[in-house]
Amino acid sequence: GIQVEQSPPDLILQEGANSTLRCNFSDSVNNLQWFHQNPWGQLINLFYIPSGTKQNGRLSATTVATERYSLLYISSSQTTDSGVYFCAVSDTGNQFYFGTGTSLTVIP
Amino acid sequence: NAGVTQTPKFQVLKTGQSMTLQCAQDMNHEYMSWYRQDPGMGLRLIHYSVGAGITDQGEVPNGYNVSRSTTEDFPLRLLSAAPSQTSVYFCASSPGSNTGELFFGEGSRLTVL
Repeated sequence: GIQVEQSPPDLILQEGANSTLRCNFSDSVNNLQWFHQNPWGQLINLFYIPSGTKQNGRLSATTVATERYSLLYISSSQTTDSGVYFCAVSDTGNQFYFGTGTSLTVIP
Repeated sequence: NAGVTQTPKFQVLKTGQSMTLQCAQDMNHEYMSWYRQDPGMGLRLIHYSVGAGITDQGEVPNGYNVSRSTTEDFPLRLLSAAPSQTSVYFCASSPGSNTGELFFGEGSRLTVL
């Protein structure tokens, strides 16, 4: 299967700070998604972004498929941004491979 | 719309018992899947289905069975539970394979003693 590596594994930020999360993958993909798992365990889809750049409020994401990486940017972080961020990829659309996540803690 | 609904949310089993985790979606999605989440390992795919009557194995299928008799439902069966199956299980659906976003249920926490 496709190997997915996320960095950093852990991140602690002061409220209002910016951050960049990275997702590297080992093979060509045609589906890439970013998820946020909140402290209650709920998984929320942030971006469907197999290539290019998207923005949604304070969050944006960029995928460079030819270089096999994606970046998630969080600006002006808030305590509600805390949780674990996962990257998931697929080459067929049937089997998704998840990274082990970046655990983000935002301190007031 | 309710989205993806999983039941039960919590379950405790003894080794060797059987049970079924239920998953239903009301979005008319063709693609449905089951994942398990273990500490430090992210989510791993157990089984998936690309439509009614069609199922296939994922990364960690051993010890689990699935069926897809309707578009809406995709139950996951543990025939003889083992402590190694203690985990949090998530069901997810998508409009079609390789098209768009995965939508997740709220998860089912299973403990096998």
